[in-house]
Amino acid sequence: GAGVSQSPSNKVTEKGKDVELRCDPISGHTALYWYRQSLGQGLEFLIYFQGNSAPDKSGLPSDRFSAERTGGSVSTLTIQRTQQEDSAVYLCASSSDRVGNEQYFGPGTRLTVT
Amino acid sequence: QKEVEQDPGPLSVPEGAIVSLNCTYSNSAFQYFMWYRQYSRKGPELLMYTYSSGNKEDGRFTAQVDKSSKYISLFIRDSQPSDSATYLCAASNDYKLSFGAGTTVTVRA
Repeated sequence: GAGVSQSPSNKVTEKGKDVELRCDPISGHTALYWYRQSLGQGLEFLIYFQGNSAPDKSGLPSDRFSAERTGGSVSTLTIQRTQQEDSAVYLCASSSDRVGNEQYFGPGTRLTVT
Repeated sequence: QKEVEQDPGPLSVPEGAIVSLNCTYSNSAFQYFMWYRQYSRKGPELLMYTYSSGNKEDGRFTAQVDKSSKYISLFIRDSQPSDSATYLCAASNDYKLSFGAGTTVTVRA
């Protein structure tokens, strides 16, 4: 079946612009996660959605970052007023269990802020 | 200090060798342990998942968890050039995965 898909695959933006990254989870998966992968920091948890529960936003690095999940499926990660330190690969994952020990990742969006 | 520590390597082995990868972790509440494989410019692919201590085998791959020493291992037998990738260990006690830095492995033909 189809895996997690993300778009765009690459995004180059100028410092100060806003960007939106999209994630389509595996059909039927109730949990959705965003992670960020950068050279210096490795893979870091950003945010978690589970069904209709309030999301866990504890990993978002600043208030410039926000995410939403519409209809329990597609999610959008928005970064406002991008900074050069936001350059990284943004990965989305989904899982079918409440305790998401088997998380399946998408290919990621490579964001470059110039 | 990160909750999961992993030697980034790189590690280079000849084809057919056993690849041994290790991680240590500091959070004693962790009970779920995973290994992911990541090819260049691709997303991480779940290889192995283990709950609590013990061994799990899947084909050429064996994952081991020793909770008493907080040690996670992955062994790849009869390694192939197609196994060349970055291997990431991860651990959690709920939905938040804590990842190691990843070890880059090259299997030489």
